[in-house]
Amino acid sequence: GAVVSQHPSWVICKSGTSVKIECRSLDFQATTMFWYRQFPKQSLMLMATSNEGSKATYEQGVEKDKFLINHASLTLSTLTVTSAHPEDSSFYICSATLTSGRLHEQYFGPGTRLTVT
Amino acid sequence: AQRVTQPEKLLSVFKGAPVELKCNYSYSGSPELFWYVQYSRQRLQLLLRHISRESIKGFTADLNKGETSFHLKKPFAQEEDSAMYYCALRGGNFNKFYFGSGTKLNVKP
Repeated sequence: GAVVSQHPSWVICKSGTSVKIECRSLDFQATTMFWYRQFPKQSLMLMATSNEGSKATYEQGVEKDKFLINHASLTLSTLTVTSAHPEDSSFYICSATLTSGRLHEQYFGPGTRLTVT
Repeated sequence: AQRVTQPEKLLSVFKGAPVELKCNYSYSGSPELFWYVQYSRQRLQLLLRHISRESIKGFTADLNKGETSFHLKKPFAQEEDSAMYYCALRGGNFNKFYFGSGTKLNVKP
């Protein structure tokens, strides 16, 4: 089956620094990837839609300058949390869309735990 | 605006008992509804989707457009069903997914 990986699986950074999270579709090409944020014991909140070769579209309330998304290839999207603060600590999950005919299947990465100290 | 509501945060049942996880949605168009499951320490994975009308691991879900519901049901719960269950709606540009808040199912022996 299709696999989506994320790197790193967890990261600790100091307040004010930036951290990059990678999302890769390992055995398929994905023109669209999504980034979610999940707070403890809460649901996944869609942050943005990452499109290969174009700018990401952000959900209402998500700061585009804070969460930079780059979809450089059909298998890689990156999320950079800039000038991180403790309130950015969260679990970040990506998903990639596998398109086959009219079927659009969503595959999720394992998530990245970000802790900002 | 699209919205997915799962009213129960936690549902505890005994093994062999029927289980129903509730999901209601609001969406202006024709949505696609899904149930995703997340077992302990594992990633989110698709359980079933309404267009397939399938039964996966004994679970079924019927889309009721009149009640805007997509409840997940299983007649006889098993301990291995214990997990977080998320109802999701897909629609709009780029086929975005919107998730409910999740229901933790705990099946007791």
